[in-house]
Amino acid sequence: DTAVSQTPKYLVTQMGNDKSIKCEQNLGHDTMYWYKQDSKKFLKIMFSYNNKELIINETVPNRFSPKSPDKAHLNLHINSLELGDSAVYFCASSVPTGTEGGDTQYFGPGTRLTVL
Amino acid sequence: QKEVEQNSGPLSVPEGAIASLNCTYSDRVSQSFFWYRQYSGKSPELIMSIYSNGDKEDGRFTAQLNKASQYVSLLIRDSQPSDSATYLCAVEEDNFNKFYFGSGTKLNVKP
Repeated sequence: DTAVSQTPKYLVTQMGNDKSIKCEQNLGHDTMYWYKQDSKKFLKIMFSYNNKELIINETVPNRFSPKSPDKAHLNLHINSLELGDSAVYFCASSVPTGTEGGDTQYFGPGTRLTVL
Repeated sequence: QKEVEQNSGPLSVPEGAIASLNCTYSDRVSQSFFWYRQYSGKSPELIMSIYSNGDKEDGRFTAQLNKASQYVSLLIRDSQPSDSATYLCAVEEDNFNKFYFGSGTKLNVKP
C-alpha cells in the first residue's frame, strides 16, 4: 500500500565510506526527486528525474550520484561520505495537478544518515 | 536561486484559535504554491496548493495568495493540538518540476 518507500530508514556510517539509499514509488508517477533536509529543517532539492532522465541537478557535489533504472525507482549513491552529509534524505515523486497547473509531490518516509 | 522566507517560530496559539502562517518568495515568475505539514520525525505532507490570487479554502485550512506582494499565507481555523507541527511553504518554478522550500514555521497549539 506504501506510495513512496525508502530504504534504509536509518544509516550510520564512518567518514569516507560509500553508501546507497533506495527509493521506489508505486504511484505510476513520471517524476522523482531527492531532497536533503538539514538539522534546521531546510528542505533542499538535489536531483529530479523524469521518466529515467535527469532533469534537475542542483549543484550537488559529484560524490552524489543518482540512478534511475526505471521510472518507479530512483536510488542515491554517495561516495566518500563527509560529516556534512549528515541529514535526512527524502525521496519524492510527483504528478501534474491538472488544469490549475503545478505538480503535486508525495514524499517518502526519509532516510536519516549519520556520518561519524 | 529563489528565496522562500518563513518565520521559524515557534508560533503558539490556544486550542480553538486561528493560526496564521506567512511566507514570502523572491521570484515573480513562480506560479504554483504549496503548504506542507511536517510532524517531528516524519515526512512532509501536502495540505494545500494554490495557483491564483485570492483565497482557497479546504476544511479548516485557507490558503491566501497575493502575487503582486509575493506573499502566500495559510490560516488554520479552530486550531487543534494535532495541528502542532512544522509548516513548510513551497514554490514551484514554472514547468520545471523544481520546488523551493522555506525553512518552515513551527506551530504549537496549546490545549
